[in-house]
Amino acid sequence: KAGVTQTPRYLIKTRGQQVTLSCSPISGHRSVSWYQQTPGQGLQFLFEYFSETQRNKGNFPGRFSGRQFSNSRSEMNVSTLELGDSALYLCASRVTSGYEQYFGPGTRLTVT
Amino acid sequence: KQEVTQIPAALSVPEGENLVLNCSFTDSAIYNLQWFRQDPGKGLTSLLLIQSSQREQTSGRLNASLDKSSGRSTLYIAASQPGDSATYLCAVFSPFMDTGTASKLTFGTGTRLQVTL
Repeated sequence: KAGVTQTPRYLIKTRGQQVTLSCSPISGHRSVSWYQQTPGQGLQFLFEYFSETQRNKGNFPGRFSGRQFSNSRSEMNVSTLELGDSALYLCASRVTSGYEQYFGPGTRLTVT
Repeated sequence: KQEVTQIPAALSVPEGENLVLNCSFTDSAIYNLQWFRQDPGKGLTSLLLIQSSQREQTSGRLNASLDKSSGRSTLYIAASQPGDSATYLCAVFSPFMDTGTASKLTFGTGTRLQVTL
């Protein structure tokens, strides 16, 4: 069974631009969560989607948004990029009733 | 607010040694605890998952214990190898306060392990 995949793996953007990251969960997993990892703040929860609905959101500004499609694939969008948005963005998926989360390889975003 | 602490922040041991990584959390109302490994610049690899009703889990040379009442978990690595060098992260899965649904992992800051020849 294929693991969680994320595209692109690396991205360089300039301040003020917007970016869209994609995550494909493990087949059969309906929940997708997004996390941001930075050297200063560590790993922080962004949001979780389940059956195309956002269930929870972490303490991030409204510039961070996401969505989930009917095939459970998820996208995350960051608008008006700031230097501080430079981070490794990780997505994780889990089955409906289980709690173990499986992470993708991440997207490394660099904002210049 | 759940907070997770990992001690030590960094550890260097010679090959073959047994070692223990520590994790503590402030709120015992958790559903489970997961240990991950992260290699530099890579994603997270799940090592062990302990449900809140369990006391320990084992996988090969790894053994993780959980004491929910005291808010502690340990990861024991037996006979360490250079390939074990990585950052080890502990994360607790606990209710999201606003909705009460269990959907959020709170991570510790990790222990960076180096196993030398």
